[in-house]
Amino acid sequence: GESVGLHLPTLSVQEGDNSIINCAYSNSASDYFIWYKQESGKGPQFIIDIRSNMDKRQGQRVTVLLNKTVKHLSLQIAATQPGDSAVYFCAENSGAGSYQLTFGKGTKLSVIP
Amino acid sequence: ETGVTQTPRHLVMGMTNKKSLKCEQHLGHNAMYWYKQSAKKPLELMFVYSLEERVENNSVPSRFSPECPNSSHLFLHLHTLQPEDSALYLCASSQQTSGRPQETQYFGPGTRLLVL
Repeated sequence: GESVGLHLPTLSVQEGDNSIINCAYSNSASDYFIWYKQESGKGPQFIIDIRSNMDKRQGQRVTVLLNKTVKHLSLQIAATQPGDSAVYFCAENSGAGSYQLTFGKGTKLSVIP
Repeated sequence: ETGVTQTPRHLVMGMTNKKSLKCEQHLGHNAMYWYKQSAKKPLELMFVYSLEERVENNSVPSRFSPECPNSSHLFLHLHTLQPEDSALYLCASSQQTSGRPQETQYFGPGTRLLVL
């Protein structure tokens, strides 16, 4: 039968542990990548971004890694907290003046207290 | 708060109704966006306005009509919608400089729309 919704990958993590959320992108021309966090009932919230001339960028408790060879992006959250529970989306921009961000389906992170 | 507000937050409408969604950004940005987020699909870009001109229209049915009267306000006019149009409608804004858009887009909380 028809799917009633997106089947999001789910990651369950114990509070205090580190989380790693992965994303594969398809456009080798993409030169800018963003991670967003979306909590229930809210819009996506910017977390961290990275350009294609970098392979790692760190923020407060978060690190984004970019592997252009295999077109893979990951978000690492250190010392995961209950407030980190949300759906996480990666997005890519193909550059060349494009306004369009292409979003992934998202990963649902559940933090176990 | 991201500096992008949307009203109403929830809307129920019949298929023959006409309604409008409103978005306002307080970030001084010059590009604004409408997205649709439904349970069945990832975030879909609908419209983009840059410097109050529509620059992208992603094959959206004509029952959705955007309006951008100035760089701080964006509307989405709705008429004769279908039940499958029920979704979360998100507004976002970003800053364009030197002909290249600043890719970071800041989102509002969305309007949850239910079409009966």
